[in-house]
Amino acid sequence: EDKVVQSPLSLVVHEGDTVTLNCSYEVTNFRSLLWYKQEKKAPTFLFMLTSSGIEKKSGRLSSILDKKELSSILNITATQTGDSAIYLCAVLAQGGSEKLVFGKGTKLTVNP
Amino acid sequence: DSGVTQTPKHLITATGQRVTLRCSPRSGDLSVYWYQQSLDQGLQFLIQYYNGEERAKGNILERFSAQQFPDLHSELNLSSLELGDSALYFCASSQNTGLPGDTQYFGPGTRLTVL
Repeated sequence: EDKVVQSPLSLVVHEGDTVTLNCSYEVTNFRSLLWYKQEKKAPTFLFMLTSSGIEKKSGRLSSILDKKELSSILNITATQTGDSAIYLCAVLAQGGSEKLVFGKGTKLTVNP
Repeated sequence: DSGVTQTPKHLITATGQRVTLRCSPRSGDLSVYWYQQSLDQGLQFLIQYYNGEERAKGNILERFSAQQFPDLHSELNLSSLELGDSALYFCASSQNTGLPGDTQYFGPGTRLTVL
């Protein structure tokens, strides 16, 4: 059974801290790994990592895919209160067709 | 705004009832996905449609069914509702070009409460 595990489940930091969120996966026929940020409602897309693009960066956020270790990390530097959200990791697997398998998320709280 | 629309935003109903949730994908997207998000289960993939045909099935109960219409909008039908069906139901769409990692864009969700 395809599985995505995120850690930690919850994290509380102060503004300005750097955080690292972890995601590990066990899926058949891995295609890509995606990170989403979920604030109040719908998840919004952050990054997609594939075999041909294992590192992505956007502002204070960056992510790396380790295909050997079947894992990914999401780094957020100089955190701000607006970074408070649930961060979801998902893996796109190809069985008979695509399916997106989500982890349970990491809840990040950034205190002023 | 992702471009994916869902109606209604909130739905409150009683056990045993049947409801229909509606989703319109982003313009040009052929694939529609349905997800259920509850507090204890996280985000669960239910079903995917591509250009009107069922493409993949996840953890969808037999009491639930979905379809995608010629204009590409989709409906998720939930019947014989139980208290445990209370959740946030998301629809997502993607181009599904066959390229690895087509990004899925999520709608705002429908919050279903079963009393």
